[in-house]
Amino acid sequence: GENVEQHPSTLSVQEGDSAVIKCTYSDSASNYFPWYKQELGKRPQLIIDIRSNVGEKKDQRIAVTLNKTAKHFSLHITETQPEDSAVYFCAAALDSNYQLIWGAGTKLIIKP
Amino acid sequence: NAGVTQTPKFRVLKTGQSMTLLCAQDMNHEYMYWYRQDPGMGLRLIHYSVGEGTTAKGEVPDGYNVSRLKKQNFLLGLESAAPSQTSVYFCASSYSVAGSYEQYFGPGTRLTVT
Repeated sequence: GENVEQHPSTLSVQEGDSAVIKCTYSDSASNYFPWYKQELGKRPQLIIDIRSNVGEKKDQRIAVTLNKTAKHFSLHITETQPEDSAVYFCAAALDSNYQLIWGAGTKLIIKP
Repeated sequence: NAGVTQTPKFRVLKTGQSMTLLCAQDMNHEYMYWYRQDPGMGLRLIHYSVGEGTTAKGEVPDGYNVSRLKKQNFLLGLESAAPSQTSVYFCASSYSVAGSYEQYFGPGTRLTVT
């Protein structure tokens, strides 16, 4: 079955700098890749997603890139702000089922 | 719309006791899920449902049972609680339309088993 690995487990960046979180997946048939943000004590919420027929997607300061050949995708956050501090989860899914296979999460710390 | 709600928010059980967690959604979603999240860990799927009257096992189903008698509700049961089941439990729901897989999460239930 599908397996998703996420790195790093913790990332500390200076406010205003960029942050990059990477995930790799094992099943080449996976075609949907979302990113969720979970603030401390809160529920996970979708922040951006990408399908396999697209190489990159942007939404303001957030972007996701997908490399199908290498089977990895990344979350890019530019001009980081204190409110970006949270745990970020990547996931992968197939069209044939609606189960998300989750990465273990990255704790992003924004230093003032 | 309330979205996804969970009852209760907190619960403390003694080993061997039983309880039921209730998840309700008002978005007419076909798919519903139960996850557990342990400290510093990711989300692990316990059971899920693709429609009223159907349930299926996820990654960590042992010690849990579920029921989906109504489309809007998904119940998670612990028959004989164990300390290893101390965790935060999240319910989620999603549409069944191809290409629309966003999962909407409830606020979570913090369960402690002593």
